Amino acid sequence: EAGVAQSPRYKIIEKRQSVAFWCNPISGHATLYWYQQILGQGPKLLIQFQNNGVVDDSQLPKDRFSAERLKGVDSTLKIQPAKLEDSAVYLCASSRGSTSGRWDTQYFGPGTRLTVL
Amino acid sequence: KNEVEQSPQNLTAQEGEFITINCSYSVGISALHWLQQHPGGGIVSLFMLSSGKKKHGRLIATINIQEKHSSLHITASHPRDSAVYICAVRKRYGGSQGNLIFGKGTKLSVKP
Repeated sequence: EAGVAQSPRYKIIEKRQSVAFWCNPISGHATLYWYQQILGQGPKLLIQFQNNGVVDDSQLPKDRFSAERLKGVDSTLKIQPAKLEDSAVYLCASSRGSTSGRWDTQYFGPGTRLTVL
Repeated sequence: KNEVEQSPQNLTAQEGEFITINCSYSVGISALHWLQQHPGGGIVSLFMLSSGKKKHGRLIATINIQEKHSSLHITASHPRDSAVYICAVRKRYGGSQGNLIFGKGTKLSVKP
């Protein structure tokens, strides 16, 4: 089974520029997550999709971050405009999707390391 | 205060040493995960626990639900065990039920 794919692996931009990340989850996985992991910290959930609908985006800075999963498969996360504090690893994860929230193992992609100068 | 706390933050060990990483949490959970993150960002799931103890090779994970505490042990540590180990819990109740809450991780370096 192919894993979660993310691209690009690395991105360096200047502040105020825009950037987009792409994620292709494991085939058949209904739930997709985007996490932000700042150096030295654990991942923080930005947004969770169930198929093409948003389940939780309470920690997504909506003034500059947006995400979509239009066909319920792959997803893009965009930052516009970027700030210095957005420098982090952006992780995508997917899971089969359990209505009870139990036993729903998340599989993580390799992440995209963003550096904002 | 974070809902998931890990200790220590950083750990340096000599090859062969027995290692323990601790995780305490303050919320009701349905499951606890131990994850391993190597440089470059990729995360691998090591264990998912809801009670008792699990063992896989040189790795052992235990959980005490009453005390809201879990430990990850590595026996006969090796330099290839060097990584960040992250504890994550799945909340049982409240908003975003089922989502994982992560600790900040423990950075382990095993010296040859």
